[in-house]
Amino acid sequence: RKEVEQDPGPFNVPEGATVAFNCTYSNSASQSFFWYRQDCRKEPKLLMSVYSSGNEDGRFTAQLNRASQYISLLIRDSKLSDSATYLCVVSPGGGATNKLIFGTGTLLAVQP
Amino acid sequence: DGGITQSPKYLFRKEGQNVTLSCEQNLNHDAMYWYRQDPGQGLRLIYYSQIVNDFQKGDIAEGYSVSREKKESFPLTVTSAQKNPTAFYLCASSIVQGNQPQHFGDGTRLSIL
Repeated sequence: RKEVEQDPGPFNVPEGATVAFNCTYSNSASQSFFWYRQDCRKEPKLLMSVYSSGNEDGRFTAQLNRASQYISLLIRDSKLSDSATYLCVVSPGGGATNKLIFGTGTLLAVQP
Repeated sequence: DGGITQSPKYLFRKEGQNVTLSCEQNLNHDAMYWYRQDPGQGLRLIYYSQIVNDFQKGDIAEGYSVSREKKESFPLTVTSAQKNPTAFYLCASSIVQGNQPQHFGDGTRLSIL
């Protein structure tokens, strides 16, 4: 089983739609969770951290479910500019390192 | 303007040649990382360093080498022993404490001639 698993998509949605991505992780001791956005042929950029209480940043909402070991990202009122690959990222924790485990990403294509 | 700079953006390697990818950061981060990304795969960790003059192997270190002589710089050498070097190489940095996110440079695309 992969340490971090995501549905690769693509998710094709019309502008204005609400879309949700899920991600599961295998290590129950994982401590930190992030969503990154990666545009085609570009570097990943931090979209948001994911906190136990859930957090929202404008049209984006992230949730963490530790019992079921999954993380979600909800995007409301999709824009054409939201088209990108969304990477689920988990920090396994433990020790003194800051190693991160990256999912393979979910591709979102927002259609006009 | 703080950030991470990778150079060159594109690099071509001949058979049997070593090439070095540059990564410089002015974010005052102690930790730096090198990843490789192949199509359809997640980022895979090659090497990382948490302090000057110290570094550790990641998951796919074979055929690569690094140095960390300065806090700001973490160059990666792709040696001739790396038989499949064509990939997108990403450098990142972070503070060390507390499971922090990493911030990336804009990458180097390496291809075989």
